[in-house]
Amino acid sequence: AQTVTQSQPEMSVQEAETVTLSCTYDTSENNYYLFWYKQPPSRQMILVIRQEAYKQQNATENRFSVNFQKAAKSFSLKISDSQLGDTAMYFCAFSRPKNAGNMLTFGGGTRLMVKP
Amino acid sequence: EPEVTQTPSHQVTQMGQEVILRCVPISNHLYFYWYRQILGQKVEFLVSFYNNEISEKSEIFDDQFSVERPDGSNFTLKIRSTKLEDSAMYFCASSEEGQPSPDTQYFGPGTRLTVL
Repeated sequence: AQTVTQSQPEMSVQEAETVTLSCTYDTSENNYYLFWYKQPPSRQMILVIRQEAYKQQNATENRFSVNFQKAAKSFSLKISDSQLGDTAMYFCAFSRPKNAGNMLTFGGGTRLMVKP
Repeated sequence: EPEVTQTPSHQVTQMGQEVILRCVPISNHLYFYWYRQILGQKVEFLVSFYNNEISEKSEIFDDQFSVERPDGSNFTLKIRSTKLEDSAMYFCASSEEGQPSPDTQYFGPGTRLTVL
C-alpha cells in the first residue's frame, strides 16, 4: 500500500515571498503520478500541479513548481511570489496508472497562511 | 472550462435515512470516483467506476454504499442507511481516458452531508 506524508501541518509566508511545502511518499511502484491539490476555505479541491514519475524534469505551472526526487521519494511544492489567494490547505497525492488501479492516496495536508 | 458539478451542495438527513448524492462528471471523461473528507481529516478514497462497473473500492465502501450511472451524464452515490459517522464532505471526481492528462482527476465542489 502507498502512503503519503506531509510533515508540516501549518506554514505561513509573507505576501510576495517564496514558500516550500514538503511531501514524502512510500511505494514499490516504478510508474506513478504525483499531484498537489489546493483546498481553499470553500473546500473545493483544485488541481495545482502534476508530475509523472517517469519524467525527470520537474513540473512547473506559473508560480508553482515541484522538486521531484524519485530516489528519495520526495515531492515538494514551491510557491513563488505568494499571493493572499494562495491561503489554503494543500494536499499532496499519489496515484498509480489507471491500468493498475488509480485511486488517489492523499497526505494529511499543510495549512498555508499568506500574510499581508 | 468544463467542470465537475455536484448536487446538492449541502444535505441534512436523519440517521437511518437514505441519501443520494449526485454528480455530473466532465462530459468526455470515462472514469469516475467518489472520495470523502471528514472535517479536519484527510481525503479518503471510496470507489472508482469505469465501463459501468466498480473498478476499485476501499474498506469504507461497505454494503451501505452503492454507485450508479443511471444515464449518460449523472453519477450517483447512495448511502442506504446513514450513520452519524457518515457526516463528511463527499467529493466526486472524473478523469479522461486519453491524452493529454489521462490520469489526472478533476474534482467537483463537494456535497456536505450532515447526519443528525
